[in-house]
Amino acid sequence: ETGVTQTPRHLVMGMTNKKSLKCEQHLGHNAMYWYKQSAKKPLELMFVYSLEERVENNSVPSRFSPECPNSSHLFLHLHTLQPEDSALYLCASSQEWGSGQYFGPGTRLTVT
Amino acid sequence: QQQVKQSPQSLIVQKGGISIINCAYENTAFDYFPWYQQFPGKGPALLIAIRPDVSEKKEGRFTISFNKSAKQFSLHIMDSQPGDSATYFCAARVSGGSYIPTFGRGTSLIVHP
Repeated sequence: ETGVTQTPRHLVMGMTNKKSLKCEQHLGHNAMYWYKQSAKKPLELMFVYSLEERVENNSVPSRFSPECPNSSHLFLHLHTLQPEDSALYLCASSQEWGSGQYFGPGTRLTVT
Repeated sequence: QQQVKQSPQSLIVQKGGISIINCAYENTAFDYFPWYQQFPGKGPALLIAIRPDVSEKKEGRFTISFNKSAKQFSLHIMDSQPGDSATYFCAARVSGGSYIPTFGRGTSLIVHP
């Protein structure tokens, strides 16, 4: 148990749907991250929040919209996704100036 | 972001053998080097990490060797077990500035019984 939970664990959505991924951390960390992990590709950093403010956005398409209402919760809102967006979406947290990141189990997203 | 180059891409080891995964970096400002272990269907888990003020860190069967002058670090898994079969990622970070890590591409390790 890493202290970072993600829901749902699996999601199948059509290209016209709107859905949201949720992440919650119970570690008292103040930075949270969204990553995309596709087969045969390295981890892709999507968004970083520190103290609830977005500090990094790696040119992610606008069909992905993050929200960080407090230091324990992070959402990724999805709309009009493409089949190539099918991947494992990982949430992580860390202390801002601390050590390693702690990852959740991920949401396996399939876009049909 | 500066790249971290990880090798090999895949590794097959017999039970009881030593698994060695290597990473090289360019940014001399990196000062924190973690390794992550990821099993299928799970998120990566922090395994072991090192800072450049030491050349080696050992935790159980896992050892990080760090060569600051060569800008390389490696993970050694002693007495490898089938349960160690997983994907391993190295990473590097500048802790005083951006706390955003740069990840290697990963190494898929298979330990045969």
